[in-house]
Amino acid sequence: GQQLNQSPQSMFIQEGEDVSMNCTSSSIFNTWLWYKQDPGEGPVLLIALYKAGELTSNGRLTAQFGITRKDSFLNISASIPSDVGIYFCAGDSGTASKLTFGTGTRLQVTL
Amino acid sequence: GAVVSQHPSRVICKSGTSVKIECRSLDFQATTMFWYRQFPKKSLMLMATSNEGSKATYEQGVEKDKFLINHASLTLSTLTVTSAHPEDSSFYICSAGGLAGSDTQYFGPGTRLTVL
Repeated sequence: GQQLNQSPQSMFIQEGEDVSMNCTSSSIFNTWLWYKQDPGEGPVLLIALYKAGELTSNGRLTAQFGITRKDSFLNISASIPSDVGIYFCAGDSGTASKLTFGTGTRLQVTL
Repeated sequence: GAVVSQHPSRVICKSGTSVKIECRSLDFQATTMFWYRQFPKKSLMLMATSNEGSKATYEQGVEKDKFLINHASLTLSTLTVTSAHPEDSSFYICSAGGLAGSDTQYFGPGTRLTVL
């Protein structure tokens, strides 16, 4: 099936650093979602974006819905060890609310 | 709110047997439930969409006779992997949507299936 291109594929950062990752698509989406998945667990919703240009924060996380509706980014400020995991973007085109997932960004945080 | 559970969390079975995985929305009614499959270090791939009381819609390449989906109530969907083979070993994750005022999906914790 279709997947969104997510970059970077993986990141190794030091605790306290800021992180930025993005997601791009050739298709327009009506909703962008960002999830975090820990090993052996299901994805947990971090932020949902519903309008082009929307900028939304959730604690240290900030995400934006691109103006073109074909991209989104997620920023994490002042990273901490528990931020370790895989971050997935997902787009909802509005067709039966089916989600298309990004390829994932694996984040490692070192002390 | 928006809690989704899955049972079992892990299952090991012999080749040729069938395995049933349950997905429940615990604190909301889910008009739609989705089933995904995830291979190690890969993204989630949608297998099928199920709506309560109707037949599931399968994604291209997913065998409907192999992966039986039943959505008997607004809080329960089941995925049965029939005549499982080692290549069916994977992480199966369900999600539920339909929470009032929200278009987002809430995911279960996943089920690790290992077929020997």
